[in-house]
Amino acid sequence: EADIYQTPRYLVIGTGKKITLECSQTMGHDKMYWYQQDPGMELHLIHYSYGVNSTEKGDLSSESTVSRIRTEHFPLTLESARPSHTSQYLCASALRQSYEQYFGPGTRLTVT
Amino acid sequence: QKEVEQNSGPLSVPEGAIASLNCTYSDRVSQSFFWYRQYSGKSPELIMSIYSNGDKEDGRFTAQLNKASQYVSLLIRDSQPSDSATYLCAVRWGSARQLTFGSGTQLTVLP
Repeated sequence: EADIYQTPRYLVIGTGKKITLECSQTMGHDKMYWYQQDPGMELHLIHYSYGVNSTEKGDLSSESTVSRIRTEHFPLTLESARPSHTSQYLCASALRQSYEQYFGPGTRLTVT
Repeated sequence: QKEVEQNSGPLSVPEGAIASLNCTYSDRVSQSFFWYRQYSGKSPELIMSIYSNGDKEDGRFTAQLNKASQYVSLLIRDSQPSDSATYLCAVRWGSARQLTFGSGTQLTVLP
């Protein structure tokens, strides 16, 4: 079973606030990903990382940033939250030689 | 634009029947294919992956890949109400560093 954690699970926050969504995995996976998913809609890749100090933007234009200082930790930061950021954010990870991604439980973000 | 297409459904099958979920993709240069299950309000969970033409079986699930026809299918035998979920198909194109997900097919298994 995948051991990947996301906090907080739910967050309601006002416009303009800075937020950081946490993602950690204990599997030693090199690859980590952040997706955004609205209810009933597709997954959209917003950021990914292939290892420490390696980050790339995904297909979906995003105002968020990520960092990868430790293998197990891949936080996503929004400097100034807006109502358009309201969505579910999913973190995933995979082994270096694999593309089988394992997802965390997600963070449901609401910006008021 | 490489695409992954799935019938959004909903697909309804009676309990005990075989559910057949299909996924087509737009480019022949594809390497890897994945099926995920996502319950409402939850995150996707990996069911199985398939890399070469033919069938791959895992319990009640069978993935079928036909690269010449550019489709991958997921069969669920002896469907149970607990199988009711959205099923996502994902494709890795060539040497791409990420997966492209379809929009999913909603399956309802009727008791």
